[in-house]
Amino acid sequence: EPEVTQTPSHQVTQMGQEVILRCVPISNHLYFYWYRQILGQKVEFLVSFYNNEISEKSEIFDDQFSVERPDGSNFTLKIRSTKLEDSAMYFCASQTGLGDQETQYFGPGTRLLVL
Amino acid sequence: AQSVTQPDIHITVSEGASLELRCNYSYGATPYLFWYVQSPGQGLQLLLKYFSGDTLVQGIKGFEAEFKRSQSCFNLRKPSVHWSDAAEYFCAVGLSNSGYALNFGKGTSLLVTP
Repeated sequence: EPEVTQTPSHQVTQMGQEVILRCVPISNHLYFYWYRQILGQKVEFLVSFYNNEISEKSEIFDDQFSVERPDGSNFTLKIRSTKLEDSAMYFCASQTGLGDQETQYFGPGTRLLVL
Repeated sequence: AQSVTQPDIHITVSEGASLELRCNYSYGATPYLFWYVQSPGQGLQLLLKYFSGDTLVQGIKGFEAEFKRSQSCFNLRKPSVHWSDAAEYFCAVGLSNSGYALNFGKGTSLLVTP
């Protein structure tokens, strides 16, 4: 069964450094999402992406964040200058379309630790 | 304000006992409703979803959920819990006019005792 994959599984970085989290959505999916889960808290929506542009973003997704689909298969989340509070599990998700019965399939996550 | 509430942070049940996890939502329109499960160190797996139609929805692993519009709830049930069901359970809602960005509840941690 097709899966969403994410790399790396864990990343440790120093505050102020840039990080890029990578996701490979399911191949025939057109809508892509990033969510994050700070330890012990709920999963929070960051951004959705369709047709090479952001379709919606939350207030968390500020100018330090950006997303890109550089090559038709990868979907990346970049944090330009990491802060301690960016430490979280980051989940990528994808779905086929926006019709009824659509489901978001989640990747296993990347655990980011900012020191 | 739009919200998703899972009133129980932790629930402990004995193996073989029945389970009900509560989820309440507050939205102007009927949202799309989901239950996801997260095992330790794992990603989110979809258990079941409700879009329309029959209000009793069957999912994987023997789970079911019932949408009750009058009570704005979508509780998850299982008649007999197995030790492998110990995990974190998240209720989520999505709105078609927001690109289905999911709004998650805070989760309920399920512990299964022998």
